[in-house]
Parts: sequence; C-alpha cells; structure tokens
Amino acid sequence: GQNIDQPTEMTATEGAIVQINCTYQTSGFNGLFWYQQHAGEAPTFLSYNVLDGLEEKGRFSSFLSRSKGYSYLLLKELQMKDSASYLCAVVDSNYQLIWGAGTKLIIKP
Amino acid sequence: GAVVSQHPSWVICKSGTSVKIECRSLDFQATTMFWYRQFPKQSLMLMATSNEGSKATYEQGVEKDKFLINHASLTLSTLTVTSAHPEDSSFYICSARGGGLDYEQYFGPGTRLTVT
Repeated sequence: GQNIDQPTEMTATEGAIVQINCTYQTSGFNGLFWYQQHAGEAPTFLSYNVLDGLEEKGRFSSFLSRSKGYSYLLLKELQMKDSASYLCAVVDSNYQLIWGAGTKLIIKP
Repeated sequence: GAVVSQHPSWVICKSGTSVKIECRSLDFQATTMFWYRQFPKQSLMLMATSNEGSKATYEQGVEKDKFLINHASLTLSTLTVTSAHPEDSSFYICSARGGGLDYEQYFGPGTRLTVT
C-alpha cells in the first residue's frame, strides 16, 4: 500500500527553527509537495521537489532524498502566523497526489 | 495565476434537502478537478476525481449517488450533496489541475456545509 508518515503535532518557539519530516512509500514517485493549511482554510502551496537536494524559498526550505523516501520542510525565524498544519503529498506513478495526515505546528511566544 | 473559486463559501441547509457547490478555475483550464472533505481537526479526505467530460472516479466508501459530481466544462465542476444529513456537515474543498506535467493542485477556498 501507499503510505505517507509525518508527525501529528509539533511545538516550537517564535523566532526559532523547526524541521517537519515526511517519509513515504508509494507506487512510483513524480515529486513531493508541501502545503500549508490554516484552520478553517484551504491548503496553500509551499514547495515542490522532484530532484534530490534542498530548495530554499525565503524562510521556508524543503529537502528531498528519493533513495531514502524522505523529505523535510524547514521553517526559520518562526512567526506566530506560521501556526498551521503542514501537509506532505507525493505524486505517485498514476500522477495522483497521495496525502499525509498533516503536522499541526504550534508556535509559542 | 491559477485561481480557483468556490461558491458558496458557507451554506446551512435542512436535513433531507440537496446542496450544490460550484468549483471554478478562473484563469486556466482544469482538465482534472478533485473534491475533498475535511472534518474538524482531521486531514483532507479525497472524495472523488473528475475529468472534464467523463464520469467521476469515487474513492472507496464515498457514495456516488449521494455526492453527485459534474465536470461539464474545463472551468467548472459541481458537487451536489443529495438528501443531506447532519453527518454530512463538513468543510468541502475542491482543487484543480491544469494537466500535462503540472502536478500541482490549486485549491479553492472551501465551502463549509452545516446540515441542521
């Protein structure tokens, strides 16, 4: 079966750095997305990785290792508005998005 | 670019009635649209995938006769919740893909349905 694992909940302090991990076992791989979802709102796109390595975009970076079936989302200089759920999703061999359950990130002052 | 709208943003209906939710891609042609449901504090649950001009593919456990999906054009898909019950109260979100090598799903803002 297909499986995406990410921690259910994480807590971090304003101004700090947090890393949210995602491991996957899917039938095929055509890229991995990270989305941010605030409570009561639809998900918004953060990043897309299809090649190994780190992609940096402002305070957010996303890393991928295809051989390990592993990705992480790194958030720097955390702000209170970063409190949200972060969803990892993999594009499988049928070009369908397989979603993780999401990681709820709580930022404390 | 790649804006998806949903209408209505929230709706309250009585048990036994039907509700239609519209999903539109405003600035691109959506070859594939997806409908999700999300209960409070839970993850997204894919309900169905629809391609323009063909029947929707429903996920296991989703009643196709209860959740009617029509993807009549490249910019519009509708979800009709028929004979709604209180347990259908949820956040319904659509997303759209433009096709080709663009795998990103562009999400609508969601529709909050409350069935009384």
